[in-house]
Amino acid sequence: TQLLEQSPQFLSIQEGENLTVYCNSSSVFSSLQWYRQEPGEGPVLLVTVVTGGEVKKLKRLTFQFGDARKDSSLHITAAQPGDTGLYLCAGAGRGNNRLAFGKGNQVVVIP
Amino acid sequence: DSGVTQTPKHLITATGQRVTLRCSPRSGDLSVYWYQQSLDQGLQFLIQYYNGEERAKGNILERFSAQQFPDLHSELNLSSLELGDSALYFCASSERVSGRAVYFGPGTRLTVT
Repeated sequence: TQLLEQSPQFLSIQEGENLTVYCNSSSVFSSLQWYRQEPGEGPVLLVTVVTGGEVKKLKRLTFQFGDARKDSSLHITAAQPGDTGLYLCAGAGRGNNRLAFGKGNQVVVIP
Repeated sequence: DSGVTQTPKHLITATGQRVTLRCSPRSGDLSVYWYQQSLDQGLQFLIQYYNGEERAKGNILERFSAQQFPDLHSELNLSSLELGDSALYFCASSERVSGRAVYFGPGTRLTVT
């Protein structure tokens, strides 16, 4: 079983501040995805990273895949209230069709 | 809007009953996945179909079954329902079998009373 640990579980910050959340595992993944989920809705895919050390930017969000492809981080610059949500990371192993999800980082951005 | 549709949005039923959840994948996607999300367990993979055939199985109970039809829509059947089956059930789809870009539907909230 590929377990993904996300930390911190809950983070509350003021609008305009920066934040970083983490997704760690002892397993190697062929790809890792980040999603954002709002209450009662489905997760929305933000990014997929596949290469160790890869960095992808999506406006104010920066995603990094660890060199060993076991961990990832999400950095948000100048957070806005619209960034509030549950951020989920999900990893796929080599030849494995299923995604293993972490329990998420709940981010609250206070106006 | 991810392009994945699920019906119904909400479902309330009694213990022991049987329900069917329906999913239509994004246009062009051949893979369909089913996930269960509960507060304590997070998102749990149940099963995957690719072009009508079962490709991967997760923690799916024997009381649950699924299938994918020739038009690629999928149904998840839950029977002999128990209180603990109350959860959000998500369908997701991807173009390929490997699932690097997986798109989720809005979910069906099942409440078993």
